Amino acid sequence: DTGVSQDPRHKITKRGQNVTFRCDPISEHNRLYWYRQTLGQGPEFLTYFQNEAQLEKSRLLSDRFSAERPKGSFSTLEIQRTEQGDSAMYLCASSLSGRDTFSGNTIYFGEGSWLTVV
Amino acid sequence: EDQVTQSPEALRLQEGESSSLNCSYTVSGLRGLFWYRQDPGKGPEFLFTLYSAGEEKEKERLKATLTKKESFLHITAPKPEDSATYLCAVQGRRGGSNYKLTFGKGTLLTVNP
Repeated sequence: DTGVSQDPRHKITKRGQNVTFRCDPISEHNRLYWYRQTLGQGPEFLTYFQNEAQLEKSRLLSDRFSAERPKGSFSTLEIQRTEQGDSAMYLCASSLSGRDTFSGNTIYFGEGSWLTVV
Repeated sequence: EDQVTQSPEALRLQEGESSSLNCSYTVSGLRGLFWYRQDPGKGPEFLFTLYSAGEEKEKERLKATLTKKESFLHITAPKPEDSATYLCAVQGRRGGSNYKLTFGKGTLLTVNP
């Protein structure tokens, strides 16, 4: 078990370009999340997958953002026509849902993908 | 809407000087309260999950406690390597599903040798 893996770790792009981030969750984890974090703030929820189904998208996720999780394994987050306000660290996380609905499930984060839009 | 407020925003301690970080929360049915440690430029590292008021968990120099309105992260005799941002997050009940976390802004802890 190597943990949640994200690629690339850093990306510098020009405004208007498209970027894509990849996330490989912990094996057998059926839940996958994307969060965004800016300096001095805690991570903010963007979207959530259970297996291959995208079950919720935050209002933070504009039409320029799209996430996929084909076959319920790895996930990609694409940002089209990037803007300077998109500069942030994009965090992927995963967890394993359990039958015990009265206990929380631990969510493990990757190291993040830093995006700088110039 | 779930809310988390952490205080202080920053805390500077001398090595060996014990202290506590506070996490106040409002949530519609708590499923779990999480503490994470985050080093600069890295993703959050899981520390603890607390599920119900009165619960306590310990790991090395850290001890987390939970009441119905807040959680404390107690740091006993800290060392410089404990310097990091400590994040608190809650997981609430939303339509019966238990998934996303709502984070506070974190407390930046600096431990001087």
